Amino acid sequence: DAEITQSPRHKITETGRQVTLACHQTWNHNNMFWYRQDLGHGLRLIHYSYGVQDTNKGEVSDGYSVSRSNTEDLPLTLESAASSQTSVYFCASSESRVSQAFFGQGTRLTVV
Amino acid sequence: TQLLEQSPQFLSIQEGENLTVYCNSSSVFSSLQWYRQEPGEGPVLLVTVVTGGEVKKLKRLTFQFGDARKDSSLHITAAQPGDTGLYLCAGAPAGNNRKLIWGLGTSLAVNP
Repeated sequence: DAEITQSPRHKITETGRQVTLACHQTWNHNNMFWYRQDLGHGLRLIHYSYGVQDTNKGEVSDGYSVSRSNTEDLPLTLESAASSQTSVYFCASSESRVSQAFFGQGTRLTVV
Repeated sequence: TQLLEQSPQFLSIQEGENLTVYCNSSSVFSSLQWYRQEPGEGPVLLVTVVTGGEVKKLKRLTFQFGDARKDSSLHITAAQPGDTGLYLCAGAPAGNNRKLIWGLGTSLAVNP
């Protein structure tokens, strides 16, 4: 069965360190998205990609970057982790830009 | 900025009660999706509504899309503890198919 997997599931890092969260999907979807979920703010879009070599900034992109070198993977990098980036991060993919989103299980990131 | 407002934000009820949650906007959507998210997991699609006035049923859950395609509701009959979770609506803006717009969610707790 097709799936979307995130790793790691939990991570603790120190302020100022570079952190990369992995997202891998086997749906063969062109569209992939990174969200962060915080109490009171819901799902907020960080970055998204509509295909290989395509990346776009979402509403909360500062301090984050992504790259899309193949269809399956969209890694999210925190250039210099800050305490404000403590959150739960979700990766999602979809067949079209606004069709059903398939989510990974999330990565809980704590920046200390 | 297109927004989807969900209400209520929190709901705690006893097993067997009925409830309705709402997803409202001043904007028109070509389709609207409802997701349920359980603790520690990513959101999972429940239903997509695409036609104004459409009603869809999923066992004890009834979803309705407003005639003007600006709002939607989710009604649960005889709630059970297994219905506990975060209910999210997401809309595809009419005339703009770049990405979904997400509501903040309704957190439902059904007590035995």
